[in-house]
Amino acid sequence: DQQVKQNSPSLSVQEGRISILNCDYTNSMFDYFLWYKKYPAEGPTFLISISSIKDKNEDGRFTVFLNKSAKHLSLHIVPSQPGDSAVYFCAASGENRDDKIIFGKGTRLHILP
Amino acid sequence: DAGVIQSPRHEVTEMGQEVTLRCKPISGHDYLFWYRQTMMRGLELLIYFNNNVPIDDSGMPEDRFSAKMPNASFSTLKIQPSEPRDSAVYFCASSFLAGAGSYEQYFGPGTRLTVT
Repeated sequence: DQQVKQNSPSLSVQEGRISILNCDYTNSMFDYFLWYKKYPAEGPTFLISISSIKDKNEDGRFTVFLNKSAKHLSLHIVPSQPGDSAVYFCAASGENRDDKIIFGKGTRLHILP
Repeated sequence: DAGVIQSPRHEVTEMGQEVTLRCKPISGHDYLFWYRQTMMRGLELLIYFNNNVPIDDSGMPEDRFSAKMPNASFSTLKIQPSEPRDSAVYFCASSFLAGAGSYEQYFGPGTRLTVT
């Protein structure tokens, strides 16, 4: 059973508009949430994270929102740029030192010119 | 730093053959992870090490898979015998910590394995 779910396999957004990627999780013990970005033929790279004590974290064009009651988080990219076209993985982990990160299946984002 | 290094980048082998994937983590990182990416299952953690000791291998699919970390700068993932369903991209990642507040893992470029 998937503990981290990204229900949209792909998403297309016009350049300059807002991209919203969604993620749901089932484990209430998750304490830390991350987004990774992956280009073809490369490994995933860390993008942004949020602790469960916060509901929002912003880094430039990227903002992650966390709704703990709904067990839902989202990544907003504003404005979307061509270089944002990639696969985005949502991930979550517990608070303990050896807790592993659980990744979702990923959402492929296409930024249209 | 050169980042996490994986070899080979591509591997094509026949069913039944032994496959060995290699990884050199970032110097100073205490944790090393092996992941597998497939369309069906996404990015799955296979096993991870802390200070060269395996901590959790619950993601290893079956006994055909084994991983070792003989020292802090080298790890291998071995599949013997390989099967077509093992075809996937295998990533190695390393991190300084895996505890709360420091989950950033650095991934290698991956090894694309094709078993025919």
